[in-house]
Amino acid sequence: GAVVSQHPSRVICKSGTSVKIECRSLDFQATTMFWYRQFPKQSLMLMATSNEGSKATYEQGVEKDKFLINHASLTLSTLTVTSAHPEDSSFYICSARGLAVRGEQFFGPGTRLTVL
Amino acid sequence: QKEVEQNSGPLSVPEGAIASLNCTYSDRVSQSFFWYRQYSGKSPELIMSIYSNGDKEDGRFTAQLNKASQYVSLLIRDSQPSDSATYLCAVTPYNFNKFYFGSGTKLNVKP
Repeated sequence: GAVVSQHPSRVICKSGTSVKIECRSLDFQATTMFWYRQFPKQSLMLMATSNEGSKATYEQGVEKDKFLINHASLTLSTLTVTSAHPEDSSFYICSARGLAVRGEQFFGPGTRLTVL
Repeated sequence: QKEVEQNSGPLSVPEGAIASLNCTYSDRVSQSFFWYRQYSGKSPELIMSIYSNGDKEDGRFTAQLNKASQYVSLLIRDSQPSDSATYLCAVTPYNFNKFYFGSGTKLNVKP
């Protein structure tokens, strides 16, 4: 149980385009989803926390107009990187937490974004 | 001061030895503690969770929690080369609304 999927796994796009990443909890209801970014050889950096049906809470320094997060249902959250630039190239990972567990987060497999 | 601190390593152990990974945290009201394993280029994978003082064993893994001293550790017995990864310690407060991750300890198990 506690499986989280992420799509796409890898995306390459041109500078200035927008990219949408989907995160789904497959076998549990995710009341909270988290979005992380990880640069090579660096630790996870939390970008934002989203609760189903409400606006996401962004960490300091993360532009909410650039990284749009939608958590429309208990099994789906999306992250849209708007007007992507090469410096946005990174490994984006979502995680999900449900009600039936004591706080565990379960991670999706991640999306590797490369902006040319 | 960081919420969660880990030695970045790398920690090198020979195959078959015990690997000991340590983590300290600053928030005394932290309630839940987790160890994640992250292979290079992959996302983190939950391997252990612990909520009360003492030891918790799961196969070759033992998590140890000491709330008074504010540390949590992970022991890996009979280490295998496949255990080579970065191990992340995570701590969450009573309402579970946020995770605090350490920067991770890189473990190398040499055949």
